[in-house]
Amino acid sequence: EPEVTQTPSHQVTQMGQEVILRCVPISNHLYFYWYRQILGQKVEFLVSFYNNEISEKSEIFDDQFSVERPDGSNFTLKIRSTKLEDSAMYFCASSDGWVGTTEAFFGQGTRLTVV
Amino acid sequence: AQTVTQSQPEMSVQEAETVTLSCTYDTSESNYYLFWYKQPPSRQMILVIRQEAYKQQNATENRFSVNFQKAAKSFSLKISDSQLGDTAMYFCALTGAGSYQLTFGKGTKLSVIP
Repeated sequence: EPEVTQTPSHQVTQMGQEVILRCVPISNHLYFYWYRQILGQKVEFLVSFYNNEISEKSEIFDDQFSVERPDGSNFTLKIRSTKLEDSAMYFCASSDGWVGTTEAFFGQGTRLTVV
Repeated sequence: AQTVTQSQPEMSVQEAETVTLSCTYDTSESNYYLFWYKQPPSRQMILVIRQEAYKQQNATENRFSVNFQKAAKSFSLKISDSQLGDTAMYFCALTGAGSYQLTFGKGTKLSVIP
């Protein structure tokens, strides 16, 4: 069964460093998303990406964040200068249609720890 | 802004019994969609069931059903004949028409006891 794959499963980085989280969405999907969950808190929407551009972003997704689909298979989230409060589980998701009417498939997540 | 509240951080149920997980929400949208997602330990989140707000009939998927009370903004999930494989974190979520984002609740950790 197709699934969304995220790498690495756990990443530790120094505060101020850049980090890239990688995702391979399901191959025929057109909509891509990043969410994060700080420990003990809600899963929060960061950004959605469709047709090679950001379709929606939250207040959390500020200038330190960027997304890219560098080739036909990968979808990346870059955090330019990590802060301690960026420590969280980051989930990638994809869907073949609008999220209201089609299922969003989630990856297992990347646990980012900023030290 | 829309919000989703799950007031039960943890619940347990005996195998083969029925359990109901609660969810309330708030949205200013007239057209919206509600979801329950399940995340088993160390596994991906998967969609359990979906409800369109304009449909009065409650959605069902095998042992999973919802009680959608639109006026009360309540969307509870009932799991019948609970199985060990139902042990998971359950998230209630909401999206409005035209939005690309899902708004999640904090989740309810369900343990099915043999």
